[in-house]
Amino acid sequence: TQLLEQSPQFLSIQEGENLTVYCNSSSVFSSLQWYRQEPGEGPVLLVTVVTGGEVKKLKRLTFQFGDARKDSSLHITAAQPGDTGLYLCAGVGFQKLVFGTGTRLLVSP
Amino acid sequence: EAEVAQSPRYKITEKSQAVAFWCDPISGHATLYWYRQILGQGPELLVQFQDESVVDDSQLPKDRFSAERLKGVDSTLKIQPAELGDSAMYLCASSLDRATETQYFGPGTRLLVL
Repeated sequence: TQLLEQSPQFLSIQEGENLTVYCNSSSVFSSLQWYRQEPGEGPVLLVTVVTGGEVKKLKRLTFQFGDARKDSSLHITAAQPGDTGLYLCAGVGFQKLVFGTGTRLLVSP
Repeated sequence: EAEVAQSPRYKITEKSQAVAFWCDPISGHATLYWYRQILGQGPELLVQFQDESVVDDSQLPKDRFSAERLKGVDSTLKIQPAELGDSAMYLCASSLDRATETQYFGPGTRLLVL
């Protein structure tokens, strides 16, 4: 069974702070995705990283795929209350997604 | 913008009762997925359809859960009888085909079993 562990599980910060969320696995994935999910809604895809070592930026969010394609990180600069939500990584393999354990982020004004 | 539709959005039922959830994927999407998400955790795949055929139901508790996609378009997930541990969010997603990595998720059905 492929497992994706995310850390931390929960993060509560003040507006303007920086943070990093980690996603680790013992398995290699063809690509890795990051989603954000707001309460009562389905996950929304933020980014897909494909190449080992790849870095993608989406405004204040920076995503990195590990060289061995087993791990990934999400860094948010100057967090805002609108960033609040559940962040999920998902490994892509064998034509299906394996989701991580999730990181719940709360950004207070 | 096309979206995945799900209904109902919320369902409260008593244990041992039957419940059913409906999903209408984005038009033209051949692959449909049902996930279960326990509060605060990541979704877990229950069943995957390619058109009207099941291609993966290895994590579906088949003694009480069933899923169908008779015409290869919309889909129904049923639980009978419901148990307390079935309380969760049930998410439907669709993609163009199995090889496409991007899945689009519906808003989900939140189930509470009392």
